[in-house]
Amino acid sequence: EVQLVESGGGLVQPGGSLRLSCAASGFSFSDHHVDWVRQAPGKGLEWVGRIRTKARGDTTEYVASVKGRFTVSREDSKNSVFLQMSSLETEDTAVYYCTSAAPGNVFHLWGQGTLVTVSS
Amino acid sequence: DIQMTQSPSSLSAFEGDRVTITCRASQDIGNNLAWFQQKPGKAPKSLIYAASNLQSGVPSKFSGSGSGTDFTLTISSLQPEDFTTYYCLQYLTYPFTFGPGTKVDI
Repeated sequence: EVQLVESGGGLVQPGGSLRLSCAASGFSFSDHHVDWVRQAPGKGLEWVGRIRTKARGDTTEYVASVKGRFTVSREDSKNSVFLQMSSLETEDTAVYYCTSAAPGNVFHLWGQGTLVTVSS
Repeated sequence: DIQMTQSPSSLSAFEGDRVTITCRASQDIGNNLAWFQQKPGKAPKSLIYAASNLQSGVPSKFSGSGSGTDFTLTISSLQPEDFTTYYCLQYLTYPFTFGPGTKVDI
């Protein structure tokens, strides 16, 4: 079955760090760009960041509010992408989704999401 | 950043109705627009990409159109499972930006 599965969410104090994982199964991640999207409780969707394929240099893009605090990386050998989050703020509390698509498509596959709660 | 607006923010309709949701971009995005359906507590589901391309497995009652700054999502005959929230997304320019959502109520 083709699917994405996120993990690593939880409760963290302001200023803390957390690493989210996104594991792909049923297909190879290596030719997919991968994006992270979040949704604060009761709010809309917000794009967080992207990592391009190795062929495109594994380069990344981020929304301004997380730039310098969040880092997206990938390990194609493990068919996984990661979101390293540091200096977390209460405003980062959200469900975090990873999403990807085959070349020529966009945002086709979505994981189930993982909840990150930043609170003291 | 490109700002995305959606109208209406919510609408009420009957089962079997045809409804249209509009998405507007603050600048020309060509056809770099996607539509998503999200049910409460669930991940978004991709419906349309490149403004009018139906994702595989999505019923043909969903259709998208538009280019440049103005786009529409049409649901031809509302069924009970369609009463939920819909979002548009521009993916021309970083940061990618979503519209605020349109809630379709029965």
